[in-house]
Amino acid sequence: EDQVTQSPEALRLQEGESSSLNCSYTVSGLRGLFWYRQDPGKGPEFLFTLYSAGEEKEKERLKATLTKKESFLHITAPKPEDSATYLCAVLPGSARQLTFGSGTQLTVLP
Amino acid sequence: DAGVTQSPTHLIKTRGQHVTLRCSPISGHKSVSWYQQVLGQGPQFIFQYYEKEERGRGNFPDRFSARQFPNYSSELNVNALLLGDSALYLCASSLAIIQETQYFGPGTRLLVL
Repeated sequence: EDQVTQSPEALRLQEGESSSLNCSYTVSGLRGLFWYRQDPGKGPEFLFTLYSAGEEKEKERLKATLTKKESFLHITAPKPEDSATYLCAVLPGSARQLTFGSGTQLTVLP
Repeated sequence: DAGVTQSPTHLIKTRGQHVTLRCSPISGHKSVSWYQQVLGQGPQFIFQYYEKEERGRGNFPDRFSARQFPNYSSELNVNALLLGDSALYLCASSLAIIQETQYFGPGTRLLVL
């Protein structure tokens, strides 16, 4: 069974304090791994797609990396507006739907 | 460019009632998927529709049904509502049936009393 586990469940950072969120997965034949940002009461906002181990993508203060068993979302010098829940999802090779983790709730304090 | 739109934004129903949620995909997207998100959890897959046909179904009871129209918009129907159906219902669209990047709408918040 495909599984996605995100850690930590919640993370509080001071503004400017860099950190990383983890997404570990077990899946039969990974077709893609996705990161989304979700603000309270809203739909997930697409951030990145990673396809193969060793791939990296960046957007502003965020950088996503992928290995064969996990992905990291690195946040450099975060700002309060980066506060949100960050969701990781995988698309297995045998399936057509995303399997999501439970998310990491990030709070950045000014 | 308009993103995925959903209506209504909020809905309150009582147990046993029926509800219909609506979704319009991004222009040019032919695939629509529905997800249920309970507070504190990630979205769970309910259905995928492509070219008006059901192409995938998650582990949800038969009380849940959906359809896709010729303009690629979609409806999710839930019959005999239970308290446990209270959740944020998300619609996502993608270009093709092999869904790679999916773009989500703002969701419909359903509360069942």
